[in-house]
Amino acid sequence: EADIYQTPRYLVIGTGKKITLECSQTMGHDKMYWYQQDPGMELHLIHYSYGVNSTEKGDLSSESTVSRIRTEHFPLTLESARPSHTSQYLCASSGIRGLKYEQYFGPGTRLTVT
Amino acid sequence: GENVEQHPSTLSVQEGDSAVIKCTYSDSASNYFPWYKQELGKGPQLIIDIRSNVGEKKDQRIAVTLNKTAKHFSLHITETQPEDSAVYFCAAFKAAGNKLTFGGGTRVLVKP
Repeated sequence: EADIYQTPRYLVIGTGKKITLECSQTMGHDKMYWYQQDPGMELHLIHYSYGVNSTEKGDLSSESTVSRIRTEHFPLTLESARPSHTSQYLCASSGIRGLKYEQYFGPGTRLTVT
Repeated sequence: GENVEQHPSTLSVQEGDSAVIKCTYSDSASNYFPWYKQELGKGPQLIIDIRSNVGEKKDQRIAVTLNKTAKHFSLHITETQPEDSAVYFCAAFKAAGNKLTFGGGTRVLVKP
């Protein structure tokens, strides 16, 4: 069982509100990721981090921002939520254990902006 | 960059039959290929993986095959059960890029 957590699991919020989606992992992984998953299933990488104070934009442009002040914590923030931000947000972390690369996902946050 | 294509996008099988999902990748430097299963309301979970120095790997009812020359890999589920109903993702990884590239997903429905 992967030790990666996301809160809240579900969030319904009005347009214009600032929101922060939390993600934390206890596996000691350096790398962490945020994916946006649309109803069509596809996973779109929106942000990633290779370690503390490292953040990069992913393949899909996003109005959200991220920070990585601690290894275990990778929050995502939307300064002003809009209905177009309604989606499932998945956090993941990865590392090398022995010779094996592993990437694990959190349970996701389903965001609805009204 | 790497590009991973996954087929079919939906797959409906009768309980007890086999299911096969196929993926192709574009970058010959990719060397690790995991498969994830995502159940409703949950995040994707790793179910099996294969490295490029191995042609086949099996774990109970699931198996994965890899053809490096053709740059394709497949997931096989035998004796399907209703709990196998989920979305399955293939992915490809290369050390230089340091991140996974996912296929578009396959929604599998096992009919009792």
